[in-house]
This record gives sequence, C-alpha cells and structure tokens, in this order.
Amino acid sequence: DVKVTQSSRYLVKRTGEKVFLECVQDMDHENMFWYRQDPGLGLRLIYFSYDVKMKEKGDIPEGYSVSREKKERFSLILESASTNQTSMYLCASSPPGVGEQFFGPGTRLTVL
Amino acid sequence: GQQLNQSPQSMFIQEGEDVSMNCTSSSIFNTWLWYKQDPGEGPVLLIALYKAGELTSNGRLTAQFGITRKDSFLNISASIPSDVGIYFCAGQINTNAGKSTFGDGTTLTVKP
Repeated sequence: DVKVTQSSRYLVKRTGEKVFLECVQDMDHENMFWYRQDPGLGLRLIYFSYDVKMKEKGDIPEGYSVSREKKERFSLILESASTNQTSMYLCASSPPGVGEQFFGPGTRLTVL
Repeated sequence: GQQLNQSPQSMFIQEGEDVSMNCTSSSIFNTWLWYKQDPGEGPVLLIALYKAGELTSNGRLTAQFGITRKDSFLNISASIPSDVGIYFCAGQINTNAGKSTFGDGTTLTVKP
C-alpha cells in the first residue's frame, strides 16, 4: 500500500513564526505536491516537485517555499506565518504516467 | 490556470436515493479523476477516466468522460450513510507530470 505521511495532524503557531510541514512517501514516487484546502475553495496547488531538488510554483505560492532534498520527502515552509495561512494542508505523491495522486491525512494549521 | 466548475456545492439526500454531480471546464483535459474525502482524511481516488466518451463503474459509482473532454459526471446509486463526504473532480492535461486541477468539491450528506 502506498503511504503518505505528514508530520503533524494538528499544529498551532503564532504570527511571524517559521513553520515547517513535512511529508514523506514510501513508494518511490517522482511527483510530490502540496495543497491547501479551505471550505468552498477545493484544493489549491501551492507547489509541486517532479524530481529531487526540482520545484514548480502552483496556483498560490505566495508566502510559501518548499524543499525536496530526498526523493521521499517534500517539505512546505511558511517563512513568516500569518493568520490567513490558517488552513488544512494536504500533501500528495504520484508516479509519472499515472493520473492518481495519493494523499496524506492532512495537517490542520492554525496561526494565532 | 484552468478552472473547474463543480456542481452542486452540497447535497442533502435520503438514504437509498441516487446522486449525480458534475464538473465542467473551459479547457480540454486528457484525464478526469473523481476522489472522495472522508472527514479528517485525505482524498482517495474513486474512478479514473482516460478516454473521451469513456463510461466506467466502480460498484454503485458510475463516471463518464465527456465527449468534448471539457466535462465529466459522477453518479452514485442507492446511497448509504457511508457515502457521506466531500467529492472532488480533477482534470489533468499531462499524466506524466501528475499535476491536477481540482474542482471545489461537492459535500454529500445522507440522512438515514
């Protein structure tokens, strides 16, 4: 079974803090993705990566950065957290040539 | 970027009823996918469609890839309480990169 794990299910941070969200997949997938999910707005792509050290901006990259030093790990970084970044963050992975993405359980981040 | 219009936004139905939801786009997609998200979890793939006109079933679920490649629908027959959740459509242009555009989701509530 493909497994995508995220470092925390719930996280509470203060405005201005640097926040790291970690995602690890165990199926050797090339592609990895970070989304944020807000009610009524669906899944919006923040960043994605199709190889180690490669990254591409998604639809809403402002205020975020990413790191992919190893194939199995894709990190999302909030350099200076703000209250409007309070959201559910979902990580996903997929192999090339296959449409399906495999999602982690999500991290619900609250920024106070 | 591309946008998907998913409707309805929410549905409240009685157990045993059939459900229909759809997605439309102004752009052509080469792959359509339907996911379900249970409360507190990440989305999980229900059905993937790779060819225009394709009609695919998975148990009580049936999905179709529109002939114009700009739309898709999902039907659920004889709904049961565990069908509750958020259903997302997603379109892909290139499965190699794995990048998907997601609809805003349809929240389904089933009353026993």
